[in-house]
Amino acid sequence: QVQLVESGGGVVQPGRSLRLSCAASGFSFSTYGMHWVRQAPGKGLEWVAHIWYNGKNKYYVDSVKGRFTISRDNSNNTLYLQMNSLRAEDTAVYFCARDPDSGDWYFDLWGRGTLVTVSS
Amino acid sequence: DIQMTQSPSTLSASIGDRVTITCRASQTISTWLAWYQQKPGKAPKLLIYKASTLESGVPSRFSGSGSDSGTEFTLTISNLQPDDFATFYCQQYNSSPWTFGQGTKVEI
Repeated sequence: QVQLVESGGGVVQPGRSLRLSCAASGFSFSTYGMHWVRQAPGKGLEWVAHIWYNGKNKYYVDSVKGRFTISRDNSNNTLYLQMNSLRAEDTAVYFCARDPDSGDWYFDLWGRGTLVTVSS
Repeated sequence: DIQMTQSPSTLSASIGDRVTITCRASQTISTWLAWYQQKPGKAPKLLIYKASTLESGVPSRFSGSGSDSGTEFTLTISNLQPDDFATFYCQQYNSSPWTFGQGTKVEI
């Protein structure tokens, strides 16, 4: 079954760190670019980070640059998002998403998401 | 960054209606535009990419189009069905950061 399953969310204090994981199955993970997209409660979608299929290039939205790091382990079909120096405005559901094997950057497969709440 | 503006924010419709959602880009994005449907508590689902290409498995009552300017796009749902009541987002993938519209909620 083709799917993405996120984990690692929870409640964390401002300034602390959290690592999200996204387990991929049912497709050739190592050939796809991957992304993190977030959605604050009651709000719209915001793209957060992207990593190439081979991990060599990474891109971030300005608001997380220097704080978040996207990475992947192709041997274990897993995507990660290391989030440091968390802020209240990082509170959101974080989705991992796949871009198609065509060089385009829309998202053809999404996980169910994991909720991150930053609060003291 | 490219700003994406959707209209309307909320749309009231009835079963069987034809509805149109507009998405405008702050600069030309050619046809690098996707549309998604999201239901409460669920992940977004890809409907259309490259402005008008229907994703596999998506009903043909969904269609997309774009203007020659590459800045104005529409999502049309013909013969609205009960399963179509949701929030719809456009997304540009012309350039990073990839950005979404604020969403259009289609309600009964």
